[in-house]
Amino acid sequence: AQKVTQAQTEISVVEKEDVTLDCVYETRDTTYYLFWYKQPPSGELVFLIRRNSFDEQNEISGRYSWNFQKSTSSFNFTITASQVVDSAVYFCALLGGGADGLTFGKGTHLIIQP
Amino acid sequence: DGGITQSPKYLFRKEGQNVTLSCEQNLNHDAMYWYRQDPGQGLRLIYYSQIVNDFQKGDIAEGYSVSREKKESFPLTVTSAQKNPTAFYLCASSIVAGVYAEQFFGPGTRLTVL
Repeated sequence: AQKVTQAQTEISVVEKEDVTLDCVYETRDTTYYLFWYKQPPSGELVFLIRRNSFDEQNEISGRYSWNFQKSTSSFNFTITASQVVDSAVYFCALLGGGADGLTFGKGTHLIIQP
Repeated sequence: DGGITQSPKYLFRKEGQNVTLSCEQNLNHDAMYWYRQDPGQGLRLIYYSQIVNDFQKGDIAEGYSVSREKKESFPLTVTSAQKNPTAFYLCASSIVAGVYAEQFFGPGTRLTVL
């Protein structure tokens, strides 16, 4: 069975602080993909990144960066110099082999205070 | 514009009534998915469809039914057998089913059963 754990239910920081959202996953598949999605108050999920199980290179996109470590089954997400617009619920998700849908974590509610 | 549409955005129904949620995509994607989101929870897979006239149960299919008569449409019926239907429902699609396919999400329908 697959499982995604986001241990941080809610994080609150002051604007311009850096913040890291943790994600730990479990799967027996050797080929899988990991995702991060952002859910603003409107409700629609916005895709942020996809990473496959064979690519452990860290990725940076503007203020966003992702640290994938297979040895610890973690795929953490860092926002540098946070802004109020970053306030949202962030989901980590796993897509394993086969045709099933995504397995989601419970999400981390990020609050950026001005 | 290409994308996924869900209607209506808000839906109210009386207990014991069946209700159908609409999901349409013009992305020419083969696979479509329905997820349910409860407050403070991640998304859970209800049903998915890899091709027209075929669909599979997800993790929480009881009390729901779907059809896939056209590639672009994947309606979800919440039946009176669903014990706790009040939730936020999200539809998604991907170009093909499986590990290599990123899922795109619609704006969601918030269903409230009175």
